[in-house]
Amino acid sequence: GAGVSQSPSNKVTEKGKDVELRCDPISGHTALYWYRQSLGQGLEFLIYFQGNSAPDKSGLPSDRFSAERTGGSVSTLTIQRTQQEDSAVYLCASSLATGNTEAFFGQGTRLTVV
Amino acid sequence: AQSVTQLDSQVPVFEEAPVELRCNYSSSVSVYLFWYVQYPNQGLQLLLKYLSGSTLVKGINGFEAEFNKSQTSFHLRKPSVHISDTAEYFCAVTLMNRDDKIIFGKGTRLHILP
Repeated sequence: GAGVSQSPSNKVTEKGKDVELRCDPISGHTALYWYRQSLGQGLEFLIYFQGNSAPDKSGLPSDRFSAERTGGSVSTLTIQRTQQEDSAVYLCASSLATGNTEAFFGQGTRLTVV
Repeated sequence: AQSVTQLDSQVPVFEEAPVELRCNYSSSVSVYLFWYVQYPNQGLQLLLKYLSGSTLVKGINGFEAEFNKSQTSFHLRKPSVHISDTAEYFCAVTLMNRDDKIIFGKGTRLHILP
């Protein structure tokens, strides 16, 4: 596709439910990132995939959060037993490689836990 | 681990006045530095980046930034702002010559006053 695509754009869920957020990166991009954006907190790093290497999960806030990337392309971020503090915009980005290349961001998924 | 500090969460500036948005980083090894911009209701996009060479880098929309290794800073400047510069600006860092995640600061919201 022309850019990074995220779905859904908005998600309202009840506390305690599980949610899945999807990211379609730009074709051919080997690096994929997930971030969480909430007011006053900037972009909080969650997880990073690079090619076939083991993902860097150092930013995941709890074991309720997990992510996978199938076939080196589409990625899914799963939040189990959602809590109100999980409400935020979840951003996905991809890049051709890491380091000196630009990361391209999707429009994000706004998650609201009620 | 590397980190980024943006001391100013909000900066109000009169239209046509100069502006400087501050960014300091911390890392035990050499880094690449970036500024990204997020316009209202839009995704993040790259404004400029420092990889190596000249410490003064120019980006889109008349912005520039200067890398200062001794002060571990990468401040963003524009000599004359326009109302269209209203946005949130994020400084980011990644480790040089490595496959590594991008770490962002908390962002600075630029308010242009008429």
